[in-house]
Amino acid sequence: DVKVTQSSRYLVKRTGEKVFLECVQDMDHENMFWYRQDPGLGLRLIYFSYDVKMKEKGDIPEGYSVSREKKERFSLILESASTNQTSMYLCASILGQGRNQPQHFGDGTRLSIL
Amino acid sequence: AQSVTQLDSQVPVFEEAPVELRCNYSSSVSVYLFWYVQYPNQGLQLLLKYLSGSTLVESINGFEAEFNKSQTSFHLRKPSVHISDTAEYFCAVSSRRDNFNKFYFGSGTKLNVKP
Repeated sequence: DVKVTQSSRYLVKRTGEKVFLECVQDMDHENMFWYRQDPGLGLRLIYFSYDVKMKEKGDIPEGYSVSREKKERFSLILESASTNQTSMYLCASILGQGRNQPQHFGDGTRLSIL
Repeated sequence: AQSVTQLDSQVPVFEEAPVELRCNYSSSVSVYLFWYVQYPNQGLQLLLKYLSGSTLVESINGFEAEFNKSQTSFHLRKPSVHISDTAEYFCAVSSRRDNFNKFYFGSGTKLNVKP
């Protein structure tokens, strides 16, 4: 089974802090994704990566950046956290080849910005 | 681009009653379709998927969904729900032409099964 691990289940940070959310997958997947989940809005794509050091903006990239130095690890960075970034953050991964595969998700990080 | 609409944000239902969760999508190209389930404080788990072939797909826990191309729908059904089915359900679509395997999700439907 694919395992996607997010380093923190709950995180509390202060406004203005630089925040790192980490995600690791163990199935050699090429593509990795960061979403935020808010009530009534479903999942919205922040950034994704299709290879090491390669990244693309999703639908709501403002205020975020990402890093992918190794294939198995994809980090989401909040450069200067703000209260409107309080949310549930979900990481997902998928094989790059073969477009009929599902995305596999981690358990999420519930981030609160005070 | 694709988009997904889940018209019902919440569906209350009594145990052992049937349920249908609606999903409609919009796309100019052929798509793959998925249903995910999210239990409280957990990530999303794949429930079932439509890739090709038979338009009726089933999950191991009694859910089924039918792909209707003419109505661009992929509704999720279960003939008799259990308390344990209480969760939030997300419909998702991906384009067969998307090299990045991006998914587009609906806003979710919370299924609340009452005893």
